[in-house]
Amino acid sequence: ILNVEQSPQSLHVQEGDSTNFTCSFPSSNFYALHWYRWETAKSPEALFVMTLNGDEKKKGRISATLNTKEGYSYLYIKGSQPEDSATYLCAFTMEYGNKLVFGAGTILRVKS
Amino acid sequence: GAGVSQSPSNKVTEKGKDVELRCDPISGHTALYWYRQSLGQGLEFLIYFQGNSAPDKSGLPSDRFSAERTGGSVSTLTIQRTQQEDSAVYLCASSLATGWGYYEQYFGPGTRLTVT
Repeated sequence: ILNVEQSPQSLHVQEGDSTNFTCSFPSSNFYALHWYRWETAKSPEALFVMTLNGDEKKKGRISATLNTKEGYSYLYIKGSQPEDSATYLCAFTMEYGNKLVFGAGTILRVKS
Repeated sequence: GAGVSQSPSNKVTEKGKDVELRCDPISGHTALYWYRQSLGQGLEFLIYFQGNSAPDKSGLPSDRFSAERTGGSVSTLTIQRTQQEDSAVYLCASSLATGWGYYEQYFGPGTRLTVT
């Protein structure tokens, strides 16, 4: 059974704080790791898709890294803003499969 | 352009009734996925369609669940004889292609199903 773990489960920070979350996944048969942001009352939105060990992706104040050998990915948010408040989901897919296996998500709340 | 749309946005039904949930994917997207999120749980894969290939139904939780995709576009997820444990947010997503999980998926707003 594939298991994708995300930590922490929730995080409350002040505006301007930088924060990071962890996604752990099985390191064998890895193909791709996805990060999504899901704001309340909206659709999940893709942030990054990463496939190569050592990949680093960046979009504005958000960046992500990938370590496929040890099976983890970090998502960083620099200078958090209230609009960053959302649930951040990671999902993993195996080499020979197409299904995304999602973690339970990290809920981020940024207070102004 | 238009994103993925789903209808209805909310559905309240009585236990034992059948329900149909609809998904309109982004035009040109060949892959379509259904997921659900039950309270306190992560997104759970249900089924996906790719072109004219046989769908991968391995995530459907029981034979009360079925899905169709007509003409490679619109999809309907049907739940027969609904149970309270079917209450969840049902999300549809589409992508340009499948095959290796490389392509990002575009999600619809979801249908919140409540079975009373």
